Amino acid sequence: GDSVTQMEGPVTLSEEAFLTINCTYTATGYPSLFWYVQYPGEGLQLLLKATKADDKGSNKGFEATYRKETTSFHLEKGSVQVSDSAVYFCALRRGSNYKLTFGKGTLLTVNP
Amino acid sequence: NAGVTQTPKFRVLKTGQSMTLLCAQDMNHEYMYWYRQDPGMGLRLIHYSVGEGTTAKGEVPDGYNVSRLKKQNFLLGLESAAPSQTSVYFCASSYKDRVGSNQPQHFGDGTRLSIL
Repeated sequence: GDSVTQMEGPVTLSEEAFLTINCTYTATGYPSLFWYVQYPGEGLQLLLKATKADDKGSNKGFEATYRKETTSFHLEKGSVQVSDSAVYFCALRRGSNYKLTFGKGTLLTVNP
Repeated sequence: NAGVTQTPKFRVLKTGQSMTLLCAQDMNHEYMYWYRQDPGMGLRLIHYSVGEGTTAKGEVPDGYNVSRLKKQNFLLGLESAAPSQTSVYFCASSYKDRVGSNQPQHFGDGTRLSIL
């Protein structure tokens, strides 16, 4: 079945540091890939997405590139801020299916 | 624009009690979902609905029932609560656009449920 594997956290960085959160997936066909962010006490919000190979999703300084050859969708940001502290979820949706498969989430804490 | 609204936000139950969680969306979305979030487990799909009057089982449906009598509402019921159902529950909704592409899911803020 479909699965998403994220790097285990927690991840603790200083402000302005470079961020990478690894995400790899297993799925048949050509899934769409997503990163969701969950701020403390809130629901999940879509951060970015990519729907086909080599697409780059970007939003709020975050980027992720859909790499089919390595089945990966790693999240990156060049300079994190304290306000980026949250839990980040990688997810996939396969084909015309509307259901999402989530990774376990990665807690990011950014210190001033 | 309210989006997806979940009620209640917090609830404590005793083992064996029943309750219903309500999810309401005002975006006219066709699809609705219930997830549970547990530490180290990510989000797991409990039940979902592809339209008014239809429901289907997700990954972890046991111990839960759902109903979608109106397009904008999706109810999650626990008939006899168990401590293993202590979790944070999230509702989400989505739609397909005019060309049939699935659009991303919108989430509510969650319901924190504790079963003693």
